[in-house]
Amino acid sequence: NAGVTQTPKFQVLKTGQSMTLQCAQDMNHEYMSWYRQDPGMGLRLIHYSVGAGITDQGEVPNGYNVSRSTTEDFPLRLLSAAPSQTSVYFCASSYHKSGLLNEQFFGPGTRLTVL
Amino acid sequence: RKEVEQDPGPFNVPEGATVAFNCTYSNSASQSFFWYRQDCRKEPKLLMSVYSSGNEDGRFTAQLNRASQYISLLIRDSKLSDSATYLCVVNPFSSGSARQLTFGSGTQLTVLP
Repeated sequence: NAGVTQTPKFQVLKTGQSMTLQCAQDMNHEYMSWYRQDPGMGLRLIHYSVGAGITDQGEVPNGYNVSRSTTEDFPLRLLSAAPSQTSVYFCASSYHKSGLLNEQFFGPGTRLTVL
Repeated sequence: RKEVEQDPGPFNVPEGATVAFNCTYSNSASQSFFWYRQDCRKEPKLLMSVYSSGNEDGRFTAQLNRASQYISLLIRDSKLSDSATYLCVVNPFSSGSARQLTFGSGTQLTVLP
């Protein structure tokens, strides 16, 4: 199994550009999520999904959109990039049972710089 | 107050030392707890779950104190390969938040030869 894969690994954008970060998992996990990690602030949840067709907002959703058309894929769209969105983005997936989350498997991350 | 707080360190210890990290959480309804390890510029990976009765995995021991709302991680006989950032993670269980994990900002450990 490939686990959780993310593309691209690195990206540089100009302010105002849009782009999509790709995330895919082959473990048949219902739950997928996107985090951003900034120095000294830990991982913060952007959006998450508990299954195909279902998405919800996390702690810092503004400026980002998601969709979940299949169990495997969970792309994150930046609508109009801003310097404040410079960060490392991690996608994660897990089993989800009785309202509790199990071990999260993370992708290798996308390092995004917005100029 | 942050939902999950950790001492950021850095902790610099010699090989073979015992080192302990604490983490406090603010939501008394929290149901599950984890320690993750993150190497420099890599993704976090699960180190161990934390159970109410405490649990051990080789040189690593995790404890949960619900009354004081903290969890701890003890590393015995430190190895150079233990150098990493250790993330405390809490899964609160209240309406609207059960599906979200809260991460601490991490404690940096460097094991010195």
